[in-house]
Amino acid sequence: QVQLVQSGAEVKKPGASVKVSCKASGYTFTSYDINWVRQATGQGLEWMGWMNPNSGNTGYAQKFQGRVTMTRNTSISTAYMELSSLRSEDTAVYYCARAQGGLYGMDVWGQGTTVTVSS
Amino acid sequence: SYVLTQPPSVSVAPGKTARITCGGNNIGSKSVHWYQQKPGQAPVLVIYYDSDRPSGIPERFSGSNSGNTATLTISRVEAGDEADYYCQVWDSSSERVFGTGTKVTVL
Repeated sequence: QVQLVQSGAEVKKPGASVKVSCKASGYTFTSYDINWVRQATGQGLEWMGWMNPNSGNTGYAQKFQGRVTMTRNTSISTAYMELSSLRSEDTAVYYCARAQGGLYGMDVWGQGTTVTVSS
Repeated sequence: SYVLTQPPSVSVAPGKTARITCGGNNIGSKSVHWYQQKPGQAPVLVIYYDSDRPSGIPERFSGSNSGNTATLTISRVEAGDEADYYCQVWDSSSERVFGTGTKVTVL
């Protein structure tokens, strides 16, 4: 079946970086964009950006420009999201989700990865 | 940046109809997607392109979009529909924007 499986929970100190992975299966990895969305506890959904696994092209939300990097390894159908200069406000559940493009809905989501930033 | 406003909460009795609004400037000119999120779970796409349903989503879920308001309608509400619901559009600044979210409570 079509699924996205994310890496496990992370605990990081302020100022560090975190890299979350998202492994796709059940479909052609390069045919769908991968988006990253995060959600702080008790808060709403916040979109971070997208990556086209075929071209490697990316688009980041202005809020995260300069701090987020989205990459992929097509040989293992895996997308990555790296967030640097972590602060306590980055503590959240991070989701990957696929979509056919910017105008399309995100129809398959990963299970989420909890990132905790604490000294 | 583009802002999407939803009511924080909607309460509805079982078997009745719930309507969740999503307000945005000229949102009728954009394609709206709706997601359902239950506690501790990832979001699920329930409506795309204003009114289309992905396979597996009950016909009780429908959507509309016109002017400055998009609406998600849940007919014959069931206890299992209790969740948070988010609208989402692709903004002209090339960013996805989510609404503020609505908690649906089944009485």
